[in-house]
Amino acid sequence: HSALTQPASVSGSPGQSITISCTGTSSDIGTYNYVSWYQQHPGKAPKLLIYDVSNRPSGVSNHFSGSKSGNTASLTISGLQAEDEADYYCSSYAGSSTMVFGGGTKLTVL
Amino acid sequence: QVQLVQSGAEVKKPGSSVKVSCKASGGTFSSDAISWVRQAPGQGLEWMGGIIPVFGGADYAQKFQGRVTIIADESTRTAYMELSSLRSEDTALYYCARGSADEVGLRYFDLWGRGTLVTVSS
Repeated sequence: HSALTQPASVSGSPGQSITISCTGTSSDIGTYNYVSWYQQHPGKAPKLLIYDVSNRPSGVSNHFSGSKSGNTASLTISGLQAEDEADYYCSSYAGSSTMVFGGGTKLTVL
Repeated sequence: QVQLVQSGAEVKKPGSSVKVSCKASGGTFSSDAISWVRQAPGQGLEWMGGIIPVFGGADYAQKFQGRVTIIADESTRTAYMELSSLRSEDTALYYCARGSADEVGLRYFDLWGRGTLVTVSS
């Protein structure tokens, strides 16, 4: 499976909302509702933000939200904060007990 | 507190193998889905393969088939990832991650180790 496609970078000002897209195929995102999103700050391990397309784990702020349409999933961050500046990765189940990640998106808070 | 504790950094010669360990403290382990994910310097995350210890058999990304072996020892609550025929492009931070899975498949990774840096250099 090829990596999911994400924009290399996005940016926004504090308080604004941004959306990061994650495009896959009918073999992964299009078939399974097992899309997850991860936040990674420099030098740190990834942190789960969203699972099963739109669910937030306990302790994750509700200004993170996820959705899916067809072969594309999206992560929306509303009310941008300085601490949201990080790399974001999507992931999807791809069948046959395999997972695939997106290439990652660098979020810059202006 | 549930943690995944990984083994220390390794420096290897091209053509050799490396074995990285991941010990789980707390949690269930046997029924957890443990995966290995690597990240080359300045690059993104790449899923290599995974195992559910109670079931035994591992699954691998096609890219690594034949070169990676993932096993789990339930008695010591430790998972291992061995990568062979190392080349410079395998220089990366290797993470183990605990995942959730059901009868459909793998869902997400909710707990990550701190990563093990493997450097391949002559």
